[in-house]
Amino acid sequence: ILNVEQSPQSLHVQEGDSTNFTCSFPSSNFYALHWYRWETAKSPEALFVMTLNGDEKKKGRISATLNTKEGYSYLYIKGSQPEDSATYLCALNFGNEKLTFGTGTRLTIIP
Amino acid sequence: DSGVTQTPKHLITATGQRVTLRCSPRSGDLSVYWYQQSLDQGLQFLIQYYNGEERAKGNILERFSAQQFPDLHSELNLSSLELGDSALYFCASSVGMGTDTQYFGPGTRLTVL
Repeated sequence: ILNVEQSPQSLHVQEGDSTNFTCSFPSSNFYALHWYRWETAKSPEALFVMTLNGDEKKKGRISATLNTKEGYSYLYIKGSQPEDSATYLCALNFGNEKLTFGTGTRLTIIP
Repeated sequence: DSGVTQTPKHLITATGQRVTLRCSPRSGDLSVYWYQQSLDQGLQFLIQYYNGEERAKGNILERFSAQQFPDLHSELNLSSLELGDSALYFCASSVGMGTDTQYFGPGTRLTVL
């Protein structure tokens, strides 16, 4: 069984503070890693797709890094804003065309 | 708006019944994926079609089936419904397969009474 673990499960962050959370996965069979942002009552929104060890991606105040050798990815949010409140999902493609999702990190920004 | 459409938005039905969920992918996307999100569970992959052919299968129950039509829209058929089938069903689409970004539709919330 190929598990995708995300930590922490939930996080409360003061507006303006920066934060980060982790996605861990078995480093064997790695093919691609996807980060999604999922707001309540909406559908998951794609943030990044990462494939290469050492990959770094950035979209505005959000960035992500990937370490395939040790099996983890970090998602960073700089200067958190209330609209960043959402569940952040990590999903792995292990080369068999399907995505295996983690259970997500629920981020709440406190104004 | 991802460009993926799903109908209906909500569906309420009784145990033992059969329902069909419909998905239209983004223009130009050839792959369609179906996911289930039950209470307190993460997104579970059900099945994938690419250009009309089944390409990958997850833990999809035998009571569930899907197909992708020549116009690339897809339908997920759920039969002999049980209370435990109540969930949010998402469709996603991508250009191809593998590392391509999957774009999610708004989902269909199924309630089985």
